Amino acid sequence: GESVGLHLPTLSVQEGDNSIINCAYSNSASDYFIWYKQESGKGPQFIIDIRSNMDKRQGQRVTVLLNKTVKHLSLQIAATQPGDSAVYFCAEGRGGSEKLVFGKGTKLTVNP
Amino acid sequence: ETGVTQSPTHLIKTRGQQVTLRCSSQSGHNTVSWYQQALGQGPQFIFQYYREEENGRGNFPPRFSGLQFPNYSSELNVNALELDDSALYLCASSLDRPQETQYFGPGTRLLVL
Repeated sequence: GESVGLHLPTLSVQEGDNSIINCAYSNSASDYFIWYKQESGKGPQFIIDIRSNMDKRQGQRVTVLLNKTVKHLSLQIAATQPGDSAVYFCAEGRGGSEKLVFGKGTKLTVNP
Repeated sequence: ETGVTQSPTHLIKTRGQQVTLRCSSQSGHNTVSWYQQALGQGPQFIFQYYREEENGRGNFPPRFSGLQFPNYSSELNVNALELDDSALYLCASSLDRPQETQYFGPGTRLLVL
């Protein structure tokens, strides 16, 4: 079927720790994956993306890992800050398809 | 900020009414996608417009319709509103091709009573 899901609905970390948010996808035909951050009352904000011909991509304080063998995607946030508190969504894009398929999201809470 | 704007920010309607939501895409972007986000859920794809033509549609009934204008701004129209239509409606724009990264606006919160 078509689904993009997340392993954990909530994640609580201490400020300064590293955070890892996981995502599983079901369609091996998916070739484009994006992480979005959504703060309360706002639209999703693009964080980082990765295409299926890559295993890893790094941005500022964030790293996305893609394991196509087990259809798993993760977002690593280094030195997590209170401003990182939000709901994080992974989204899946499929070759030839115009839509993004979103999971339900993981709520990240950063404790001071 | 992405440069994608939406209006209005909030809207209250009653069942059976019709609503029009508006979106201005980021400068240079010719593709607009609309999503519905229910409370506590991820966004669900409604449809996409690419260069003024519908370029794909999700599992939404025909009472959800849209338009894209020559300046690439877009409208989402919903007829015969139902209570379950209460949600955050998000517009996302992307550059040139539909497979490019989609950048979201702040959304319009619709409440149907």
